[in-house]
Amino acid sequence: QQKVQQSPESLIVPEGGMASLNCTSSDRNVDYFWWYRQHSGKSPKMLMSIFSNGEKEEGRFTVHLNKASLHTSLHIRDSQPSDSALYLCAASTNNNNAPRFGAGTKLTVKP
Amino acid sequence: DMKVTQMPRYLIKRMGENVLLECGQDMSHETMYWYRQDPGLGLQLIYISYDVDSNSEGDIPKGYRVSRKKREHFSLILDSAKTNQTSVYFCASSSWGGSGQLYFGEGSKLTVL
Repeated sequence: QQKVQQSPESLIVPEGGMASLNCTSSDRNVDYFWWYRQHSGKSPKMLMSIFSNGEKEEGRFTVHLNKASLHTSLHIRDSQPSDSALYLCAASTNNNNAPRFGAGTKLTVKP
Repeated sequence: DMKVTQMPRYLIKRMGENVLLECGQDMSHETMYWYRQDPGLGLQLIYISYDVDSNSEGDIPKGYRVSRKKREHFSLILDSAKTNQTSVYFCASSSWGGSGQLYFGEGSKLTVL
């Protein structure tokens, strides 16, 4: 059974600061990584996906993937209080396999 | 409209009672999922369904069963609920198997007393 580890468990950054979140899978067959964001009391919503080595940027959000180490990271620049949420990393393999999720990183952005 | 709908949103049951959680989606997605979320544990996969009557156990299937008789509808059944099944249950759907983005319902909060 694949495991997805996220760090840190929680993170506090000042408004306007940079938040960096990490995620690693234990399954060498993983092909796909996603980052989901879940605001308190709401359902998870997909934020970004990355399937190839390298970097992908969308506005203030950047994801990196190193497939050799099965490590992905999410970076949020110019963090806003509205970014305060639980960030979940998910990973799946290429054989009709359901995504497995990490325990999440709780991000708090202080005004 | 790309929506996953869960019913009921909140449910209180006594230990030993049966529970039915229902989920519908309007995207004609083949694949649907049930996860549960507990503090500090993230989302744990209970069951995955690849299409009508094509269901597979996830990582924590014990105490649960599912039913999918129509592509747009996926039910989670707890026969004789236990207190440790108190949780928030999320249904999700996706296209093209396990490599597509998941769309989640709003969750069903179950309390078993």
